[in-house]
Amino acid sequence: QQQVKQSPQSLIVQKGGISIINCAYENTAFDYFPWYQQFPGKGPALLIAIRPDVSEKKEGRFTISFNKSAKQFSLHIMDSQPGDSATYFCAASRSARQLTFGSGTQLTVLP
Amino acid sequence: NAGVMQNPRHLVRRRGQEARLRCSPMKGHSHVYWYRQLPEEGLKFMVYLQKENIIDESGMPKERFSAEFPKEGPSILRIQQVVRGDSAAYFCASSPGLAGDEQFFGPGTRLTVL
Repeated sequence: QQQVKQSPQSLIVQKGGISIINCAYENTAFDYFPWYQQFPGKGPALLIAIRPDVSEKKEGRFTISFNKSAKQFSLHIMDSQPGDSATYFCAASRSARQLTFGSGTQLTVLP
Repeated sequence: NAGVMQNPRHLVRRRGQEARLRCSPMKGHSHVYWYRQLPEEGLKFMVYLQKENIIDESGMPKERFSAEFPKEGPSILRIQQVVRGDSAAYFCASSPGLAGDEQFFGPGTRLTVL
């Protein structure tokens, strides 16, 4: 019940295109849903996060869409750039406790 | 305004030795979390600590692993009698706790067991 499932495992997008990564969760007690970006050899960096009381949050080129009834949330990267090439992780937590991470999506943006 | 600091960044140990990983949280953060990342995998929760207290250690292996966050000084993750399967990247994250959920990660310690 603690699992967070993430897809796709890898994604290749042309420069300027839209990258979409999806996650699904099971535990309805989760109340915080962040996305992290990780470059090789680095720690995860917080990109954007959402709570269940809103259905969408946008920060620059990054948008989270949240569907509480379906228990799904997704990350959209608009106008994808080669510098966005990294591994992206979705995560979920309950009451500011530990994060449960998805398995990651390796994004490659072609120039 | 330093972020989460971890040291060492790389640690090589032979089987049977002890590994000691340190984490200094961001200024003002009183909550520390340790995660482990195996190659090509996501991060797995290990332990959640507040100053002088272990809040949740449900992700810690039952043997050889321990963690502390003393009143003064960094949080320490200690692995005794390391085995090759302990080779991984160990990340520490900190958060302000009740003041916010956001967890900020350090650069990690990459442990290699020979």
